[in-house]
Amino acid sequence: AQSVTQPDIHITVSEGASLELRCNYSYGATPYLFWYVQSPGQGLQLLLKYFSGDTLVQGIKGFEAEFKRSQSSFNLRKPSVHWSDAAEYFCAVGAGTGTASKLTFGTGTRLQVTL
Amino acid sequence: GAVVSQHPSWVICKSGTSVKIECRSLDFQATTMFWYRQFPKQSLMLMATSNEGSKATYEQGVEKDKFLINHASLTLSTLTVTSAHPEDSSFYICSAFPGLAEGFTDTQYFGPGTRLTVL
Repeated sequence: AQSVTQPDIHITVSEGASLELRCNYSYGATPYLFWYVQSPGQGLQLLLKYFSGDTLVQGIKGFEAEFKRSQSSFNLRKPSVHWSDAAEYFCAVGAGTGTASKLTFGTGTRLQVTL
Repeated sequence: GAVVSQHPSWVICKSGTSVKIECRSLDFQATTMFWYRQFPKQSLMLMATSNEGSKATYEQGVEKDKFLINHASLTLSTLTVTSAHPEDSSFYICSAFPGLAEGFTDTQYFGPGTRLTVL
């Protein structure tokens, strides 16, 4: 069965600093990988996804993630964090075929941004 | 585009009563909808997969007689928590998949969630 590990429960960064959120997955085949952001009162918003091809994926809001098969990782990065980035971030892996595959989520990383 | 709504956003009910939560895709037809449950400070756990016109597929450990799912149309799925008890209190989130509809990415779009509190 697939699984996702987000080792950091809570991260605090200063506004303008760089950010890296870690994600490790376990899946037997080529995974579909996703990063979502959850803000209070709003649904999960897709930041970016990886299905195949270039292992460096660009997303919305200036985020990017790099798929490293050898490390089973899909870490999320942003070069300069804005206060509005404070939220809960979830990494997810999709199992099965197709993009409607069932998602397994990590436990999330709460990002706090200090001014 | 790609708006998914849930109603109600929060609900409080007495133990033993049933509660219905609606999930609607407002600007696309959803071939598949998913229902998740999220406990405080925990991850989302998939409960069931719902396809229009067919029975829902439940994940292992999810009681299908307790969590009734009806996907009546391509834009509406409902989750009914029957005979709710305090342990059913949680945050329920749905997602909808538009398939290859033009103008949408082929991923799930999530609703804002419904907070259920059972007294």
